[in-house]
Amino acid sequence: DIVMTQSPSSLAVSAGETVTINCKSSQSLLSSGNQKNYLAWYQQKPGQSPKLLIYLASTRESGVPDRFIGSGSGTDFTLTISSVQAEDLADYYCQQHYSYPLTFGSGTKLEIK
Amino acid sequence: EVQLVESGGGLVQPGRSMKLSCAASGFTFNNYDMAWVCQAPKKGLEWVATISYDGSSTYYRDSVKGRFTISRDNAKSTLYLQMDSLRSEDTATYYCARHPGANWGQGVMVTVSS
Repeated sequence: DIVMTQSPSSLAVSAGETVTINCKSSQSLLSSGNQKNYLAWYQQKPGQSPKLLIYLASTRESGVPDRFIGSGSGTDFTLTISSVQAEDLADYYCQQHYSYPLTFGSGTKLEIK
Repeated sequence: EVQLVESGGGLVQPGRSMKLSCAASGFTFNNYDMAWVCQAPKKGLEWVATISYDGSSTYYRDSVKGRFTISRDNAKSTLYLQMDSLRSEDTATYYCARHPGANWGQGVMVTVSS
């Protein structure tokens, strides 16, 4: 199974700051066939269902603000949230869908000071 | 607008069965693989199972293999999860999702307890 190691587990920032969340996979998520990384990022606000933010490591889902940026390749990935806003209070998860069983990172709780 | 609406959750005793349903609308259901993902109380997300767009292939996490069965009825645009031999550790909110997570339902709570 591919293990997804996500860090930090929590962080607290002030509105306007930039946040970086890291996700490392135990195996490469890069497909040699199409050169795509099968890594997604989700946001889960309190009491809500998860919402897809980023897919294929760096493609923003429609309607997601451009302050959410996904980057990385192979085994190391990053979600950057620039100019954090109060509405970004949420848990964030990475997920690999390169191979079964699909696996998620343990999550990052983002708090706004 | 894509909508996924789960139903069928509740309280069930250990060892018993429960069947979840997920009614889909707003997209061509039979074009997409579908998945179930669960979240234990105050815990993270765990993938449970995926079924291919035509139902010909299914995939499960190890802890539910042989106990859970994912299926679909494309004529009804509905996804199912049959859960047998339920254990206390299966207690969670279960979400259906357009694989691997493009859209999610609101979730349904399953509590396994005597």
